Amino acid sequence: EVKLVESGGGVVQPGGSLRLSCAASGFTSGSHWVNWVRQAPGKGLEWVANINQDGSATYYANSVEGRFTLSRDNARNSLYLQMNSLRAEDTAVYYCARVGFGRSLDCWGQGTLVTVSS
Amino acid sequence: DIVMTQTPLSLSVTPGQPASISCRSSQSLLYSDGKTYLYWFLQRPGQSPQLLIYEVSNRFSGVPDRFSGSGSGTDFTLKISRVEADDVGVYYCMQAIQVPVTFGGGTKVEIQ
Repeated sequence: EVKLVESGGGVVQPGGSLRLSCAASGFTSGSHWVNWVRQAPGKGLEWVANINQDGSATYYANSVEGRFTLSRDNARNSLYLQMNSLRAEDTAVYYCARVGFGRSLDCWGQGTLVTVSS
Repeated sequence: DIVMTQTPLSLSVTPGQPASISCRSSQSLLYSDGKTYLYWFLQRPGQSPQLLIYEVSNRFSGVPDRFSGSGSGTDFTLKISRVEADDVGVYYCMQAIQVPVTFGGGTKVEIQ
């Protein structure tokens, strides 16, 4: 079964840091681009970042550029989203999603909640 | 950034009746490779989004054939031929022709 499982969410103070992980199983994660998408409470979907198969290329939303860093360890079938200088507006459920056919996001994790609050 | 505009914001449908959701992009989603990078997702209450349609009109694996997608350029439509109770949730369109990837604001579908 193709599966993605996010972890690492929690409560953090403004200005703090958090590292999210996305563990892939049932497929070779190193063969796929992976995106991170977030959803603030009661809001819609917002793309955060993506990374290519070998980690040599990453792209970020303007809202997180310079604060978030996406990386991957294909030997561990895992991806990591390092989030620094967190703000209240970063509060959201964070999903990782695999790119399948073409550029489709064909498999999503269950999400991990990040709450930035003092 | 490409702006994706969905209408309506919400839809209340009688089971067995059709439903239609519109998505408009601020720029053409037709790429030089001939593909149009427009996708549809359904997020059921309390669940993660799931892919329904890729590249305008292709149903993803396991998606019932009562779901169909159409359109070109900047105007796209998702149609449900006969709405069932399981179709309740929020539908999103998404463009992936360029970064940043952007989503429509969502259309909430409820059953009457």
